[in-house]
Amino acid sequence: GNSVTQMEGPVTLSEEAFLTINCTYTATGYPSLFWYVQYPGEGLQLLLKATKADDKGSNKGFEATYRKETTSFHLEKGSVQVSDSAVYFCALSTNAGKSTFGDGTTLTVKP
Amino acid sequence: DVKVTQSSRYLVKRTGEKVFLECVQDMDHENMFWYRQDPGLGLRLIYFSYDVKMKEKGDIPEGYSVSREKKERFSLILESASTNQTSMYLCASSLSVRGGNEQYFGPGTRLTVT
Repeated sequence: GNSVTQMEGPVTLSEEAFLTINCTYTATGYPSLFWYVQYPGEGLQLLLKATKADDKGSNKGFEATYRKETTSFHLEKGSVQVSDSAVYFCALSTNAGKSTFGDGTTLTVKP
Repeated sequence: DVKVTQSSRYLVKRTGEKVFLECVQDMDHENMFWYRQDPGLGLRLIYFSYDVKMKEKGDIPEGYSVSREKKERFSLILESASTNQTSMYLCASSLSVRGGNEQYFGPGTRLTVT
């Protein structure tokens, strides 16, 4: 079956540090890949997505590139802010319509 | 903007009660989902619906049922609530059964069963 593996958290960074959260996946076929973010007390919201190999998704300074050869979709941001503190979920979606989510990585950014 | 609303943000029920969690989406999405989110366990799919009156079991359907009588509304029912169903419940919707569609989530309902 499909699966998503994220780097374990929690991750604590100082403001303006570089962020990488690793995500690898296993899937049959050609999935679409997503990063979702969950702020405290809220539901998940889409951060970025990529639908085919070598696509780069980007939003709010975050980026991730769909790497088919390494089955990865690592999330990066060059300079994090305190407001980026949240839980980040990597996910994939196949033609079956359902999504498979990673376990989530908690990011805390300190001033 | 797509909006997914859930009937309650916080709910406290007693063991054995029948509990209804309601979810409404306003963008004519075909798919709707119910998840529960627990610390250390991530998101787990309870039930999935890809059309009115159609449903499919997710990974943890035991103790739950669902109802989708109208396209915009998807209800999760706990027939007899138990303390191990204390959790955060998240509803989501997506455009169609084809892949590549992101899910839109509601704010969640934090259910406590005492």
